[in-house]
Amino acid sequence: AQKITQTQPGMFVQEKEAVTLDCTYDTSDPSYGLFWYKQPSSGEMIFLIYQGSYDQQNATEGRYSLNFQKARKSANLVISASQLGDSAMYFCAMRESPSGYSTLTFGKGTMLLVSP
Amino acid sequence: GAVVSQHPSWVICKSGTSVKIECRSLDFQATTMFWYRQFPKQSLMLMATSNEGSKATYEQGVEKDKFLINHASLTLSTLTVTSAHPEDSSFYICSARDPTPGFQETQYFGPGTRLLVL
Repeated sequence: AQKITQTQPGMFVQEKEAVTLDCTYDTSDPSYGLFWYKQPSSGEMIFLIYQGSYDQQNATEGRYSLNFQKARKSANLVISASQLGDSAMYFCAMRESPSGYSTLTFGKGTMLLVSP
Repeated sequence: GAVVSQHPSWVICKSGTSVKIECRSLDFQATTMFWYRQFPKQSLMLMATSNEGSKATYEQGVEKDKFLINHASLTLSTLTVTSAHPEDSSFYICSARDPTPGFQETQYFGPGTRLLVL
C-alpha cells in the first residue's frame, strides 16, 4: 500500500483564488511528520510547511496552511491568494521514525497551474 | 531555511565513464544526508542515506557498487555513478537534515544535478 497518496495529478486555479491540494497518508507509527515541498520547473525542492503528528494546531506559513485531520489521515495543503509563481509540482511527504533515524517518503505529486 | 548546494548542476558524459556529484550543507553541519533520484514526471525515490564517518545505507534495489557514496565531513557528501549507462540518466538530488532543535528534522534539498549519459 502506498504510504503517501496524492490523488490529483493536476489542478488549475485562477490567480488570487485559494486552492487545496490533497494528501492522505498511511502509517502505524504514532510519531511522524508531514511535509509539503514545491518543485518548480528548475527542479529544486523548496520546503513549504511542516506538521507534526502531535501538533495540536494546523501549521501555517504565510499563504500556506496545512489542513491536518489526524483521524482521517489527511494533510491537505491550502494555498490562499494564488500567484502565477505558484505554478509548480507539489509533493507531500511523510517522515516516520523507525530505528531512530528518519527518511522521507514522497507522494507522486500534484501539478498546479495558476492562470491569470 | 538552511542552504544546500550541489555541483555540478548538469553533466553529460559518455557511457562507461564515472561521474561524481557533490552535495554541501553551507550553513549547518549535517550528520545525515540523503540522495534521491527522480525520473521525468515521477516522484523522488530515495537511493541511500549518507552518514558522516560511516557507510551509507542503501535502499532496496539500489546497487551500492554502482552508486558510491562518501560522507567524509559534516558538510560534504559525494555520489559517484560508476560506469554510467544511458539508463542512469536522471535528475539526482541530495538533501541534508538540519539537526538544530526546533527544525523538526526538516530536510533541505540541493538544486539537483541533471545527468545525461550518451
